[in-house]
Amino acid sequence: EAGVTQFPSHSVIEKGQTVTLRCDPISGHDNLYWYRRVMGKEIKFLLHFVKESKQDESGMPNNRFLAERTGGTYSTLKVQPAELEDSGVYFCASGRRTGGYTFGSGTRLTVV
Amino acid sequence: AQSVTQLDSQVPVFEEAPVELRCNYSSSVSVYLFWYVQYPNQGLQLLLKYLSGSTLVESINGFEAEFNKSQTSFHLRKPSVHISDTAEYFCAVSQNTGGFKTIFGAGTRLFVKA
Repeated sequence: EAGVTQFPSHSVIEKGQTVTLRCDPISGHDNLYWYRRVMGKEIKFLLHFVKESKQDESGMPNNRFLAERTGGTYSTLKVQPAELEDSGVYFCASGRRTGGYTFGSGTRLTVV
Repeated sequence: AQSVTQLDSQVPVFEEAPVELRCNYSSSVSVYLFWYVQYPNQGLQLLLKYLSGSTLVESINGFEAEFNKSQTSFHLRKPSVHISDTAEYFCAVSQNTGGFKTIFGAGTRLFVKA
């Protein structure tokens, strides 16, 4: 089966600009998660979708971050306006009901 | 709330030597436990997982981990490492109910030297 696809793989933007990250989960996986790793620190949970509904968005840093999942398929994570501290690697993962996800390769975001 | 502690940030080891990457967790509820691996310039891959049953779980490339409930540990071991095992390893825990939100440790960088 195809894996979790994320794009772009890299993005460099200026502070104050907008960036949209996209994640295509494995077909049939209702659960979709976004995580972020900043500056080599822990991988932090951002939010969890079940199909098109946000199940848990307790990890979203602030209201500059907006996640959507259209029709329960792909998901986007928009950062507007981007700040320097938003730099990091953003991972998407998808899975079925039992534990253990399949991760994408991540999007490395650099805000300058 | 759950937390994961990986006791070593970096582990250098010679090829063919044994290795143990340590992981302790805390949780007030029953959990699932995982080890993920990130090879250079790649994404995260699930290495092995404990969901239930036998406390010793194995991966296809020779790693194993043992769930120890009394010590709240899930250490990762390999009896003989290869250069290709050089990577960053993440221990992770999630509740076995609800949304399966996963909490990760800070990671351990394994350097295998010739």
